[in-house]
Amino acid sequence: NAGVTQTPKFQVLKTGQSMTLQCAQDMNHNSMYWYRQDPGMGLRLIYYSASEGTTDKGEVPNGYNVSRLNKREFSLRLESAAPSQTSVYFCATGTEYSNQPQHFGDGTRLSIL
Amino acid sequence: TQLLEQSPQFLSIQEGENLTVYCNSSSVFSSLQWYRQEPGEGPVLLVTVVTGGEVKKLKRLTFQFGDARKDSSLHITAAQPGDTGLYLCAGAGGYSTLTFGKGTMLLVSP
Repeated sequence: NAGVTQTPKFQVLKTGQSMTLQCAQDMNHNSMYWYRQDPGMGLRLIYYSASEGTTDKGEVPNGYNVSRLNKREFSLRLESAAPSQTSVYFCATGTEYSNQPQHFGDGTRLSIL
Repeated sequence: TQLLEQSPQFLSIQEGENLTVYCNSSSVFSSLQWYRQEPGEGPVLLVTVVTGGEVKKLKRLTFQFGDARKDSSLHITAAQPGDTGLYLCAGAGGYSTLTFGKGTMLLVSP
């Protein structure tokens, strides 16, 4: 009963390096989301995918790309990491109904030096 | 861009005290959700309010949704150390996206 699984849990990168954050769900939800959480800033939406095969920009998409590989998996890629992208990244899943909750993974803590 | 203002940002109280957290917006949301987040974990839903004027209770927690569906409050009665955590309000938008407030960090000391 994993729910939403994010890998890796921790990562340290050097400026300019690239990496992909992975997210997989077994909730059978159509929608998936990537957020970043910074101190005092709450959660800000980076990208989302309302259904398999579609992706859309959120509030803070610059410097990121996403891929909805299939219904279960939604990845977030940093092509050239910058110190400003140091953050905790959360993946979430949900249904198409706005009164239903989103279900979050435990986050990936990313530091960029 | 819809914004949610959450206050206070930080609250430190003694066990047994009551407290209220506020979540205000100039925009109308179809629903508003409250989440609680503990260190090292993702947010977990506490409640969803949908109807203007709605009041929901979850043990010692009382949630209200304003009549105009622009604001909400969370009241905790007789806070306990186990209530310590980050409380987040979030308004539902298109494609079931959520706009989060900046959160209220609650510390309840024994």
